[in-house]
Amino acid sequence: ETGVTQSPTHLIKTRGQQVTLRCSSQSGHNTVSWYQQALGQGPQFIFQYYREEENGRGNFPPRFSGLQFPNYSSELNVNALELDDSALYLCASSLVPVGGINTGELFFGEGSRLTVL
Amino acid sequence: RKEVEQDPGPFNVPEGATVAFNCTYSNSASQSFFWYRQDCRKEPKLLMSVYSSGNEDGRFTAQLNRASQYISLLIRDSKLSDSATYLCVVERGYQLIWGAGTKLIIKP
Repeated sequence: ETGVTQSPTHLIKTRGQQVTLRCSSQSGHNTVSWYQQALGQGPQFIFQYYREEENGRGNFPPRFSGLQFPNYSSELNVNALELDDSALYLCASSLVPVGGINTGELFFGEGSRLTVL
Repeated sequence: RKEVEQDPGPFNVPEGATVAFNCTYSNSASQSFFWYRQDCRKEPKLLMSVYSSGNEDGRFTAQLNRASQYISLLIRDSKLSDSATYLCVVERGYQLIWGAGTKLIIKP
């Protein structure tokens, strides 16, 4: 097991609602990144947090927001849910932030599967 | 054109066969490259980092050709347990760009 835990594992929401997903990073890791994975696709980068600061964001609208806490756990919040937000949301922790030649292994949680009706 | 492109798959191969996956990327500034494996309805897990000199881990060999912006993964003597989706991953600054993955099905 990676030591990265996510909650909830499954949830169903309706359009327009808001959702908060949670992630506990592996012990000793100060970086958390979030990904959205639609069925049959590779993960899409949402954003990365390093020591409680967002230090990179993918091509997602502002209604996707996040937080990282002093213990390096993290939350992903999505407002005004749309049908296309239905996906597996993956949290990954790492020893160092993604960037350049020193990019290391990401350790993923099992994901939160969101269905928007 | 996608930034990271992989063979669409699926690949159906008999146990014991050798299988090769190909991946191309468009950002010439990328410096780190990986192959991840994802089992059905599970999270991705790192299979191998890919180095310029090529690297091998048991039955798995990864190659990087920077001039052609091409990455490959070779699996020799394939096992039933190798059945999974193989994802090519390329670093671009603060983010990792993932291919759509190639599904591998090993048949007994």
